[in-house]
Amino acid sequence: GQNIDQPTEMTATEGAIVQINCTYQTSGFNGLFWYQQHAGEAPTFLSYNVLDGLEEKGRFSSFLSRSKGYSYLLLKELQMKDSASYLCAVRDRGAGSYQLTFGKGTKLSVIP
Amino acid sequence: EPEVTQTPSHQVTQMGQEVILRCVPISNHLYFYWYRQILGQKVEFLVSFYNNEISEKSEIFDDQFSVERPDGSNFTLKIRSTKLEDSAMYFCASSESPGSGNTIYFGEGSWLTVV
Repeated sequence: GQNIDQPTEMTATEGAIVQINCTYQTSGFNGLFWYQQHAGEAPTFLSYNVLDGLEEKGRFSSFLSRSKGYSYLLLKELQMKDSASYLCAVRDRGAGSYQLTFGKGTKLSVIP
Repeated sequence: EPEVTQTPSHQVTQMGQEVILRCVPISNHLYFYWYRQILGQKVEFLVSFYNNEISEKSEIFDDQFSVERPDGSNFTLKIRSTKLEDSAMYFCASSESPGSGNTIYFGEGSWLTVV
């Protein structure tokens, strides 16, 4: 089985930087995904990490440490539209297993 | 940009009725998935489908659930006899392949309310 933990809620100011952490425990590991989800909408892909290190994509970066079972999503130059839930999801390594296991999500509120 | 499309966007059904949720995955994708999200809870995996058969399924995907690819474009989820606890947002998703680098893209979801 898998266990994924992330903070329930965070608040940050427009224009600032925020880091959303995710820790996971899994029997195998085959990649970690970050998705953004606005209320009542579909999860939208943000980033993917399978090797240790930082992946940068515009205002968003994601970091992975497999030995620590840890990832973070970094959002720079926050905008009001970034207010959403951010979902950490892990793919298991099991043979033929391609499902994602999601954390409960971190609800980010961006304030002026 | 190609996207996964789902119908209906909302459905209200009476307990015990059958429901079919429909999805059109991205055209060059080979792997298809159903996930669900009960209001206020996390997204949960239901089933994955490849080459016209189920690849894996979760404990949630019991005998009342079934999936089908009736033609070259549609992918459906059928709930045979709905229960109140089936009320949730159901997301269809697809990916090019299951390989480690392949992103899973989600549709906009179908809200199912069982009354």
